[in-house]
Amino acid sequence: RKEVEQDPGPFNVPEGATVAFNCTYSNSASQSFFWYRQDCRKEPKLLMSVYSSGNEDGRFTAQLNRASQYISLLIRDSKLSDSATYLCVVDHTGTASKLTFGTGTRLQVTL
Amino acid sequence: ETGVTQSPTHLIKTRGQQVTLRCSSQSGHNTVSWYQQALGQGPQFIFQYYREEENGRGNFPPRFSGLQFPNYSSELNVNALELDDSALYLCASSLRDVEGNIQYFGAGTRLSVL
Repeated sequence: RKEVEQDPGPFNVPEGATVAFNCTYSNSASQSFFWYRQDCRKEPKLLMSVYSSGNEDGRFTAQLNRASQYISLLIRDSKLSDSATYLCVVDHTGTASKLTFGTGTRLQVTL
Repeated sequence: ETGVTQSPTHLIKTRGQQVTLRCSSQSGHNTVSWYQQALGQGPQFIFQYYREEENGRGNFPPRFSGLQFPNYSSELNVNALELDDSALYLCASSLRDVEGNIQYFGAGTRLSVL
């Protein structure tokens, strides 16, 4: 079983749609959680950290369920510019000395 | 931009050769991590350097080695290149125990092994 699992997609959604990505992780000792965004042939960029209480940044909402070892990302009112691969990232060290990435979920937003 | 720079941007090598990739961390950051990203996969952790010492290593053979310099820049060396080493190599810098240990990535070096 992979340490971090994501549905690879692709998710094809029209502009303005709401889309949700899910991620599960296997190490119950994991301490920090992130969503990174990666555009084609570019480096990953931090989208947001994920906190136990859930957090929101504009159109993006992240949720963490430690009991189920499950992380989600919700994107509301999708824009064409949201088209990218979204990487679920987990750190079980507490010091980010090793980040474990999922394979990523590809999102394509269309007109 | 993240302020993390990597060189070269692209590299072509043949099987059996050796390669050195370089990374300059963001100003003030003391930690550098290296990742390998194969096509269609997420980045895989190679190792991390903190204050010039290796501080964690992923599941990579010893022919992957690195070092960090006093100015916190870093090198990744790969000996005896294999075809499967073809990938995007990413460097990320962070400031340990501050800012939630957020890692900021450079644009990567794309290595092709023929």
